[in-house]
Amino acid sequence: DVKVTQSSRYLVKRTGEKVFLECVQDMDHENMFWYRQDPGLGLRLIYFSYDVKMKEKGDIPEGYSVSREKKERFSLILESASTNQTSMYLCASSWAYRGMNTEAFFGQGTRLTVV
Amino acid sequence: AQSVSQHNHHVILSEAASLELGCNYSYGGTVNLFWYVQYPGQHLQLLLKYFSGDPLVKGIKGFEAEFIKSKFSFNLRKPSVQWSDTAEYFCAVTTNAGKSTFGDGTTLTVKP
Repeated sequence: DVKVTQSSRYLVKRTGEKVFLECVQDMDHENMFWYRQDPGLGLRLIYFSYDVKMKEKGDIPEGYSVSREKKERFSLILESASTNQTSMYLCASSWAYRGMNTEAFFGQGTRLTVV
Repeated sequence: AQSVSQHNHHVILSEAASLELGCNYSYGGTVNLFWYVQYPGQHLQLLLKYFSGDPLVKGIKGFEAEFIKSKFSFNLRKPSVQWSDTAEYFCAVTTNAGKSTFGDGTTLTVKP
C-alpha cells in the first residue's frame, strides 16, 4: 500500500513563527502536492513538485514556500505564520502517466492552528 | 485556467435512496477525472477514476460515474445509498498542464 506520512497531526504555533510541515511518501512517486482544506472551499493547491528540486506554484502560494531535496520528501514552509493560515494541510503524491497526473494518495493531514 | 464545479454542497438522503452528485469542469484539452471520498475522521481516498475508454466507470462500494465529454461533466451515482456512505465527496480533474484541481466538495448525510 502507498503510504503518505505527514509529520504531525496537530500543530499550534504563534503568529510570526516559521513553521515546517513535512511529508514523506514511500512509492517513488514523481509528483507531490500540498493542499489546504477549509470548510466550503474544498481543497486548494498551494504548491506542487514534479521532480526533485522542482516546484510550481498552485492557486494560493502566497505566504508559503516549499522544498524538495529528495524524491520522497516534500516540505511546506510558512515563513511567518499568520492566523489566516489556520487550516488543515494535506500532502499528496502521484505518478505521472503520459504527462498527466494519475490518482493522488493523501496523507492524514496536519491541522495547524496559528494563535 | 481549469476549474471544477460541484453543484450540491450538502445532500441529505434516506437509506436506499438513489444518489447523483453533479460535477462539471472547464478545460478544453485532455483530462483525467476523479472522485474522492473522505469519511469522517479519515484521509481522502480514491472512489473512482476515468482516463480513457468506456465513459461509464465503476468504483468501490457500488459507486459509478459517467463522463459526458460534450457536457464537460462527470457525475457520480449510486442506486441505493447506505448510512456508511455518509462522507464528503470531491470531484477532481488533472490536465496535461500538470495541475490537479478539486471541486468544493459535497457533504452527503444518509439518514438511517
